[in-house]
Amino acid sequence: AQTVTQSQPEMSVQEAETVTLSCTYDTSESDYYLFWYKQPPSRQMILVIRQEAYKQQNATENRFSVNFQKAAKSFSLKISDSQLGDAAMYFCAYRISAGGTSYGKLTFGQGTILTVHP
Amino acid sequence: ETGVTQSPTHLIKTRGQQVTLRCSSQSGHNTVSWYQQALGQGPQFIFQYYREEENGRGNFPPRFSGLQFPNYSSELNVNALELDDSALYLCASSANGDKSYEQYFGPGTRLTVT
Repeated sequence: AQTVTQSQPEMSVQEAETVTLSCTYDTSESDYYLFWYKQPPSRQMILVIRQEAYKQQNATENRFSVNFQKAAKSFSLKISDSQLGDAAMYFCAYRISAGGTSYGKLTFGQGTILTVHP
Repeated sequence: ETGVTQSPTHLIKTRGQQVTLRCSSQSGHNTVSWYQQALGQGPQFIFQYYREEENGRGNFPPRFSGLQFPNYSSELNVNALELDDSALYLCASSANGDKSYEQYFGPGTRLTVT
């Protein structure tokens, strides 16, 4: 079974600084997706960034970038120039690429609460 | 483009009762997934519906059941409620095809079982 582990229950960063959230996962699959989701206190889960396992290049979305290490099964999120609006719970998630009875199933980590200090 | 909506926002039920939660998928999306999120935890996959059929299920007992309607909206039914069923229930919709990996979440329904 696939598992996703976030070992940092809480992280904090000063506004305009950079912070990195860690995630490791375990799978026997070779083709899969990894995601970072943000869940602000208002609860609605928002997709931040996506990485396809077959792509060597790390995904980037504006101030958000990932460090994907497939062999190490590591998938960290870097937030640059942190803003107050980045404060939220961040979840790392995994999904197989295709096929199987749980095709769309997302497996989430336990989450990391990010606090941004002004 | 209308996003994913869920109703009700909150509800309180008594142990042993039954509850139905509703989800309207985003326009153009034909797949709906349901997740249970206990306080301070990551969401856990309950099941997924595609074209009105369940096509994937997580580690949840049969008293968790669902439906998907021809307009792709969905219901989650939970029978014989237990205290541990207290959680935020999230619905997510996605399209078929190339963008199937993109799941869009609703705001959730907070269920409290007393």
